Amino acid sequence: DGGITQSPKYLFRKEGQNVTLSCEQNLNHDAMYWYRQDPGQGLRLIYYSQIVNDFQKGDIAEGYSVSREKKESFPLTVTSAQKNPTAFYLCASSIILGQGAYEQYFGPGTRLTVT
Amino acid sequence: EDKVVQSPLSLVVHEGDTVTLNCSYEVTNFRSLLWYKQEKKAPTFLFMLTSSGIEKKSGRLSSILDKKELFSILNITATQTGDSAVYLCAVEVSIWNSGNTPLVFGKGTRLSVIA
Repeated sequence: DGGITQSPKYLFRKEGQNVTLSCEQNLNHDAMYWYRQDPGQGLRLIYYSQIVNDFQKGDIAEGYSVSREKKESFPLTVTSAQKNPTAFYLCASSIILGQGAYEQYFGPGTRLTVT
Repeated sequence: EDKVVQSPLSLVVHEGDTVTLNCSYEVTNFRSLLWYKQEKKAPTFLFMLTSSGIEKKSGRLSSILDKKELFSILNITATQTGDSAVYLCAVEVSIWNSGNTPLVFGKGTRLSVIA
């Protein structure tokens, strides 16, 4: 089945530790995105990537890092510099269209709790 | 700064009622507006709107876009308890001449349908 997978579903970490969230897609999508969702908030963009080995900061990139070494994979590292890392993290992907509109497909999400 | 505002933030209705959810936006270089339904985890795609005045329908759900007044509405008729969810509105903003750009999300409307 084609889709986006995120692992793990739940993750617990101690403050001060870096943690990496996995996102894999087999939809052959060029673009991938990371969003963060807090209670009562919409999704806020952390990082996005349109092609392999290239990525751009979103609205709330501070304290996060990403890599895009393969088209299928876009891992997100939450570093100890992120002040409030506890949140629900969603990964998404989409095809690249020249001038047209598109939709993003979302993974199931990872709920990160840092204590 | 690009902005998407949804109203109301939450809504409680009885089964069988009709509801209208609102989404207004202020963005540069609008490309499309999307509606998503989020129940427990990942948002699922409902509609993509690019042209003004053309209603999109899917069963009991319908949506329309007004690009002059910069808003969209999502209607749900004959609501059922299974419609209970957070409904997210997102706008795609075109930054480059080609390629995709991330979505700007509103905070969502939490709809609760009670029997």
